[in-house]
Amino acid sequence: DAKTTQPPSMDCAEGRAANLPCNHSTISGNEYVYWYRQIHSQGPQYIIHGLKNNETNEMASLIITEDRKSSTLILPHATLRDTAVYYCILRSLDSGYALNFGKGTSLLVTP
Amino acid sequence: DSGVTQTPKHLITATGQRVTLRCSPRSGDLSVYWYQQSLDQGLQFLIQYYNGEERAKGNILERFSAQQFPDLHSELNLSSLELGDSALYFCASSAQLRTSGITDTQYFGPGTRLTVL
Repeated sequence: DAKTTQPPSMDCAEGRAANLPCNHSTISGNEYVYWYRQIHSQGPQYIIHGLKNNETNEMASLIITEDRKSSTLILPHATLRDTAVYYCILRSLDSGYALNFGKGTSLLVTP
Repeated sequence: DSGVTQTPKHLITATGQRVTLRCSPRSGDLSVYWYQQSLDQGLQFLIQYYNGEERAKGNILERFSAQQFPDLHSELNLSSLELGDSALYFCASSAQLRTSGITDTQYFGPGTRLTVL
């Protein structure tokens, strides 16, 4: 019963920005939005997280809408190594500290 | 490299057997999580330990158990193995400081691939 909705798959050309959407229309005030990715059966890798403000780090940017019902992960210049499954996860103290992975978005970066 | 190590990388065993998977968390991390990833169920949380004590349980079968030792490494024991237990098993660790709470980031190991024949 994942509380997020992501498209099952997306394509992106190498060098272009990859914008991965996530819907979380029932998000509650104390829930953070986390993004992880998994590259072909490797361990999931933390990307970024945020509560309500936009966030940026060396890997990506996270844009959260003002009503917090959706967010977008942006990989500014996608490379072939960014091909992976991307998971958008809501996390709060109420749900404990475990991560509830849904099905994610399979991003394919093409040459 | 996340700093979390898991052994062995691969394990092949027969139905009915028992195996132990080992995880060493990142230096200084007090919390360890175990996850199972199978083809039909996706990534599922099994259990969490914090500083030697069980903190939370997810979809962990009664045939499975875990513990965290004083040096903070953790072991996941799987017994009476069935074909359906074939999966990738991941361990993650986090600092789980009281002040960081929900923003505490989990870092995952490379996983152990278990095949039950």
